[in-house]
Amino acid sequence: DQQVKQNSPSLSVQEGRISILNCDYTNSMFDYFLWYKKYPAEGPTFLISISSIKDKNEDGRFTVFLNKSAKHLSLHIVPSQPGDSAVYFCAAIGAGGTSYGKLTFGQGTILTVHP
Amino acid sequence: GAGVSQSPSNKVTEKGKDVELRCDPISGHTALYWYRQSLGQGLEFLIYFQGNSAPDKSGLPSDRFSAERTGGSVSTLTIQRTQQEDSAVYLCASSLRRGGLDTQYFGPGTRLTVL
Repeated sequence: DQQVKQNSPSLSVQEGRISILNCDYTNSMFDYFLWYKKYPAEGPTFLISISSIKDKNEDGRFTVFLNKSAKHLSLHIVPSQPGDSAVYFCAAIGAGGTSYGKLTFGQGTILTVHP
Repeated sequence: GAGVSQSPSNKVTEKGKDVELRCDPISGHTALYWYRQSLGQGLEFLIYFQGNSAPDKSGLPSDRFSAERTGGSVSTLTIQRTQQEDSAVYLCASSLRRGGLDTQYFGPGTRLTVL
């Protein structure tokens, strides 16, 4: 029962262009959505988050969009840089119920930004 | 300030042996989480601790898995009678408190290989 899904295992983008990473979820009880970035041999690092009451959150080159009716969120990176190359995980967490306090992760998308 | 640390970084064991994985959370963080990432999979929640409350063990895959947190700080994840399917990267995270948008900070993980 995959409650958070990242259907694209990999994405390749040219430096300077936009990277768009997508994520779908099924559990309407999720209250917050997060993106984590992971380099090899390191733990995931928090990148950006969004509350379910918002539809957009921006932090520098990173913007997360949430479409609650479609149960879909996306991470936009613009402009993309070679240092952005990593695995990106979408995650969700609930403020109550069985999803309270624990992150549910997608499978991850490998982003490669070519110089 | 030190981040989350985990030891060992790598562990190779034989099927049927017991293993212990250690996590040192960020000082002052009351919530501690264990996740694992199996090959080709996203991160899977295992267990979390919040202060003196009973831990949420709902993610533990079998009764061979157990965890404890001594003195509200260091945690040990124990896997008894290891099986090959236990091979994964085991990640520990901590946050200031449980739930909501309290960012979970991850350690580098322990890569467990069961032969």
